Amino acid sequence: NAGVTQTPKFRILKIGQSMTLQCAQDMNHNYMYWYRQDPGMGLKLIYYSVGAGITDKGEVPNGYNVSRSTTEDFPLRLELAAPSQTSVYFCASSYGRGDQYFGPGTRLTVL
Amino acid sequence: KQEVTQIPAALSVPEGENLVLNCSFTDSAIYNLQWFRQDPGKGLTSLLLIQSSQREQTSGRLNASLDKSSGRSTLYIAASQPGDSATYLCAPREAAGNKLTFGGGTRVLVKP
Repeated sequence: NAGVTQTPKFRILKIGQSMTLQCAQDMNHNYMYWYRQDPGMGLKLIYYSVGAGITDKGEVPNGYNVSRSTTEDFPLRLELAAPSQTSVYFCASSYGRGDQYFGPGTRLTVL
Repeated sequence: KQEVTQIPAALSVPEGENLVLNCSFTDSAIYNLQWFRQDPGKGLTSLLLIQSSQREQTSGRLNASLDKSSGRSTLYIAASQPGDSATYLCAPREAAGNKLTFGGGTRVLVKP
């Protein structure tokens, strides 16, 4: 099993550009999550999903959108990137409310 | 709103010493609590998950205790090794939903 995979690993965006961060898991987990981690800080939940077709907001959803059309994939869309969205983005998955498994992260810089 | 505090923020110990990492949370209505390890530039690795009905959970040299009513969890690492150097994060999951709230972490350095 590859576990949780994220692409790209790094990205630099200009202010106002858009992009999609990809996340996939092959563990047949029903729950998936997106977090952001700012330097020296803990993680904050952006969005999560408890199954295909079901998504819900976390603590910091503004400026982001998600969709969950399959069990395996949970892309995160950034519209009109802003410098405040410079961060490391982590995707995670779990079976129900059990252990969360994390991807390696995407480091995003908005200039 | 759940708030999670981890003290100390950083810790440096000689190899072989036992580590005690503290986590406190403001809302005791939790479903479970996870401890994670994060190496620099990497994702998080789950160490232990302790259910709200449990008092402690053990895995090898790691032991996590939970006192839900007082909003505290402690991670003990016995006989520390340089390979234990990392940031350790705790995250309680809310009882009524699906959200984890993370603390700011404790950065540990174990000197050989």
